[in-house]
Amino acid sequence: GIQVEQSPPDLILQEGANSTLRCNFSDSVNNLQWFHQNPWGQLINLFYIPSGTKQNGRLSATTVATERYSLLYISSSQTTDSGVYFCAVGYKLIFGAGTRLAVHP
Amino acid sequence: EAGVTQFPSHSVIEKGQTVTLRCDPISGHDNLYWYRRVMGKEIKFLLHFVKESKQDESGMPNNRFLAERTGGTYSTLKVQPAELEDSGVYFCASSQVPGNYGYTFGSGTRLTVV
Repeated sequence: GIQVEQSPPDLILQEGANSTLRCNFSDSVNNLQWFHQNPWGQLINLFYIPSGTKQNGRLSATTVATERYSLLYISSSQTTDSGVYFCAVGYKLIFGAGTRLAVHP
Repeated sequence: EAGVTQFPSHSVIEKGQTVTLRCDPISGHDNLYWYRRVMGKEIKFLLHFVKESKQDESGMPNNRFLAERTGGTYSTLKVQPAELEDSGVYFCASSQVPGNYGYTFGSGTRLTVV
């Protein structure tokens, strides 16, 4: 089956810093989503992005389907950005292990 | 529109008991999915309904788990009898079209088996 790898596994930032999270996947997919799991455990859909680039406020994402990776950019990070970021692919949504982000004031 | 609703939000039961989790998808979403995350592991697919039919139940761990979606609206996931390793967070998601346009997740049910 499809393998999904996310990096880095952990990330610590000072408020205001920028960061890039990466998701590699082992096969072509027609569905890729980024999620943020907040400290209360809720999974929030950030982007549906099987290809191309999208932006939503301080967050943006780029997927290069031909090279089987996706990037999530967080600019001017805030403490509320803390949590775990998941990439998931395919119609069954195969999840990566996530990147745990901690933003300190 | 209302989101995906799950309840209870938390459940603590003893080993051997039965628990039923419920998921109400977004109205009009024919596709409903169950996932779970056990402690320290990844979020794993359990099964997929299209309306009331089970399209794919390849992720169901064993026959102690029974999912239903009568009438193609809400779904229930019953665990009977519960074991310690069933502890984790159970998520439900729904979508209009499988594999496209994004899935919306509920807040999850945190199940603790003691």
